[in-house]
Amino acid sequence: GQQVMQIPQYQHVQEGEDFTTYCNSSTTLSNIQWYKQRPGGHPVFLIQLVKSGEVKKQKRLTFQFGEAKKNSSLHITATQTTDVGTYFCAGGGNYGQNFVFGPGTRLSVLP
Amino acid sequence: GAVVSQHPSWVICKSGTSVKIECRSLDFQATTMFWYRQFPKQSLMLMATSNEGSKATYEQGVEKDKFLINHASLTLSTLTVTSAHPEDSSFYICSAPDYPGTGPDTQYFGPGTRLTVL
Repeated sequence: GQQVMQIPQYQHVQEGEDFTTYCNSSTTLSNIQWYKQRPGGHPVFLIQLVKSGEVKKQKRLTFQFGEAKKNSSLHITATQTTDVGTYFCAGGGNYGQNFVFGPGTRLSVLP
Repeated sequence: GAVVSQHPSWVICKSGTSVKIECRSLDFQATTMFWYRQFPKQSLMLMATSNEGSKATYEQGVEKDKFLINHASLTLSTLTVTSAHPEDSSFYICSAPDYPGTGPDTQYFGPGTRLTVL
């Protein structure tokens, strides 16, 4: 079945440094979503990417969907302590299949 | 590693009947579990937070009397869709956070339950 992996599993950065998490699928995806979960909270939807090679920005966050639609990345520029949390990607298969979640990347930001 | 299971994985029922979905944390205790619903190609929508030993906390717009949540033990939460209608057909996912205390917290997602109401 479809598998979605994320790397790294953990990332510790100093405030102000950049951060990137990568999401890789074993199969071609129809689209991909990213979620953020703050410590003690629940995953919150961030964005959805649909087109091959698509790049979207939300303030300091840049999301990219690979040309082959099998991988994606989330890049945070100049991290802040408010960026702390776990970032999940979820890959949607074709034919309207539901999303499969990656294991998440846990980000710690040291002040 | 920690696993969250859901049962059943899929269910088809007639309109007007009730359906119970179970969410279990298999090797850790979860005082809190989250229930989501997801329509095809759409994002996860949080329905409620299930709390062991107390009432669930429902998100705005989610009918408490229609989606009954019971967190019976530290490893089991159930979601009952009462008097199901075709518009309730969806993919229901639970997740359980593991707060080990000695290490980082982790959120584990169940595999989901696909409900189809005829």
